[in-house]
Amino acid sequence: QKEVEQNSGPLSVPEGAIASLNCTYSDRGSQSFFWYRQYSGKSPELIMSIYSNGDKEDGRFTAQLNKASQYVSLLIRDSQPSDSATYLCAVKNSGGYNKLIFGAGTRLAVHP
Amino acid sequence: SQTIHQWPATLVQPVGSPLSLECTVEGTSNPNLYWYRQAAGRGLQLLFYSVGIGQISSEVPQNLSASRPQDRQFILSSKKLLLSDSGFYLCAWGGEQYFGPGTRLTVT
Repeated sequence: QKEVEQNSGPLSVPEGAIASLNCTYSDRGSQSFFWYRQYSGKSPELIMSIYSNGDKEDGRFTAQLNKASQYVSLLIRDSQPSDSATYLCAVKNSGGYNKLIFGAGTRLAVHP
Repeated sequence: SQTIHQWPATLVQPVGSPLSLECTVEGTSNPNLYWYRQAAGRGLQLLFYSVGIGQISSEVPQNLSASRPQDRQFILSSKKLLLSDSGFYLCAWGGEQYFGPGTRLTVT
């Protein structure tokens, strides 16, 4: 059973701080990794994708990938109250058909 | 640009009643399409995926079925709903899986 694990949280950070969200996965053959943001009552929204080891930055977001450790993380710099949401980590199944395996998500709360 | 639609947005149905949820995608051809369910406070469960018209793969055996009658249309159905079918139903397209707005189903 291929799995994606995330701490459910809530992760509480003050406004302006760096929020660090972590994810581990079991499928060693996975090559594609994604972070989604889901506001309460809304559908998930893709915010970052990463395919190579190292860091990928997009605005205030940085995704980090370490395939050897089977570890993906998302850093949010200068956290804002509007970043308060559940963040879902997803890993593409190496078995094909573009299937993603989702973690249960980490709830982030940014307080003023 | 691509757009994905789902309807209805919310639905309240009695146990034993039928179900039909529709998803359509605009602005792309022959997309991979997916149906997910998210129970309250839970993660996303993949229900069905389709790589083309009439091609449906089921991930979880249950009383739901899916059909893809047209290239950009994906339908989720049930003949008799169970209480456990309540949840947030999400349609997605593409390898990176862009989600539609979802249908919130409550079975009473």
